Amino acid sequence: KAGVTQTPRYLIKTRGQQVTLSCSPISGHRSVSWYQQTPGQGLQFLFEYFSETQRNKGNFPGRFSGRQFSNSRSEMNVSTLELGDSALYLCASSPGLAGGAYNEQFFGPGTRLTVL
Amino acid sequence: QQPVQSPQAVILREGEDAVINCSSSKALYSVHWYRQKHGEAPVFLMILLKGGEQKGHEKISASFNEKKQQSSLYLTASQLSYSGTYFCGTVYQAGGTSYGKLTFGQGTILTVHP
Repeated sequence: KAGVTQTPRYLIKTRGQQVTLSCSPISGHRSVSWYQQTPGQGLQFLFEYFSETQRNKGNFPGRFSGRQFSNSRSEMNVSTLELGDSALYLCASSPGLAGGAYNEQFFGPGTRLTVL
Repeated sequence: QQPVQSPQAVILREGEDAVINCSSSKALYSVHWYRQKHGEAPVFLMILLKGGEQKGHEKISASFNEKKQQSSLYLTASQLSYSGTYFCGTVYQAGGTSYGKLTFGQGTILTVHP
């Protein structure tokens, strides 16, 4: 089975712009979670989607949003980028109904976002 | 609220043992352990669930003390390949179920030397 794929792998944007990141989960996985990883804050949960519905959301401002499509592919969007949004954005998929709370999460390689 | 991991860093020689701890101030539904090597994505090691169920790789050993809301990861006879940052993630008990919201600790950097 192919692993979790994320595109693009690297992205450079300027403050005020918006960005869309894409994640394709492992075939058959309906749960997709997004994380932000920075040296200072570590791995922080953004949100989790299951069957096109957001089930959980972390403590991030409304500038961070996401969605999931019927084929389980997911996108996250960050609007009005700030310097502090520079980070590695990781997507993870999980099998089963309970998703990452009960099952192994398979992480993608991440998208490295740099905001100038 | 983030779980607290200790120690923050460990340096070992091949063959030595290490224990990484993870503690929470809130009631837990599950504890998850992941390892991340530099420049790579986190890789699943183990899940420990309230009630005693465990899921993970056979060579990994961990415990979950539900009364103390603590978990420990035991790395025995360490190998060079064990080097990396170890993260514990917790899912908090909230009502009946809690889906998918993993809160990760700050990580423990493990370095194994020959």
